[in-house]
Amino acid sequence: GEDVEQSLFLSVREGDSSVINCTYTDSSSTYLYWYKQEPGAGLQLLTYIFSNMDMKQDQRLTVLLNKKDKHLSLRIADTQTGDSAIYFCAKKQDPDKLIFGTGTRLQVFP
Amino acid sequence: GAGVSQSPSNKVTEKGKDVELRCDPISGHTALYWYRQRLGQGLEFLIYFQGNSAPDKSGLPSDRFSAERTGESVSTLTIQRTQQEDSAVYLCASSLVSGGVSNQPQHFGDGTRLSIL
Repeated sequence: GEDVEQSLFLSVREGDSSVINCTYTDSSSTYLYWYKQEPGAGLQLLTYIFSNMDMKQDQRLTVLLNKKDKHLSLRIADTQTGDSAIYFCAKKQDPDKLIFGTGTRLQVFP
Repeated sequence: GAGVSQSPSNKVTEKGKDVELRCDPISGHTALYWYRQRLGQGLEFLIYFQGNSAPDKSGLPSDRFSAERTGESVSTLTIQRTQQEDSAVYLCASSLVSGGVSNQPQHFGDGTRLSIL
């Protein structure tokens, strides 16, 4: 079945850029998502990209998709302490399940 | 407008008891999903409902787990004879439609944190 993998931790200084990476195994055309989870809360949809796109930018967020390498990344520009959270990438699998990675814990320090 | 609402937010129960978790989706959302999130892990798909179609139960881990949905509104997830490994956060999500090329993102509730003693 589909497998989605992420690194577990990322630590960055406030004001720097953060890059969170995700790899997947199934190359079928579909949507890929980034969700943010703060402590004790549910998942907040940040952005998404369809697999026929290479890049999508939304304010401080940039999503890059390398279809050949099955690699998805989320770049957060000018990272703030409020960005500290767990970030999940997810891949839509037919008919409509989401397959999630294990999440990357982003810690932003002053 | 209101988001996905789940209750209770926390539930502590003894091993062997039955529990019922509730999800109120966003009004008008025809698709509803249940996921389980174990400590330090990603989300595991459990079940989803789409309109009047038969639910996709392929993610339910055992026959102790079941879920119901009344029309296009409230859903309940029931776990019978709970075991300690059932301890997790149970998340519900809803979306406007399901399947196909169109993208209708899933919107999540805050989850129910279930602890089995």
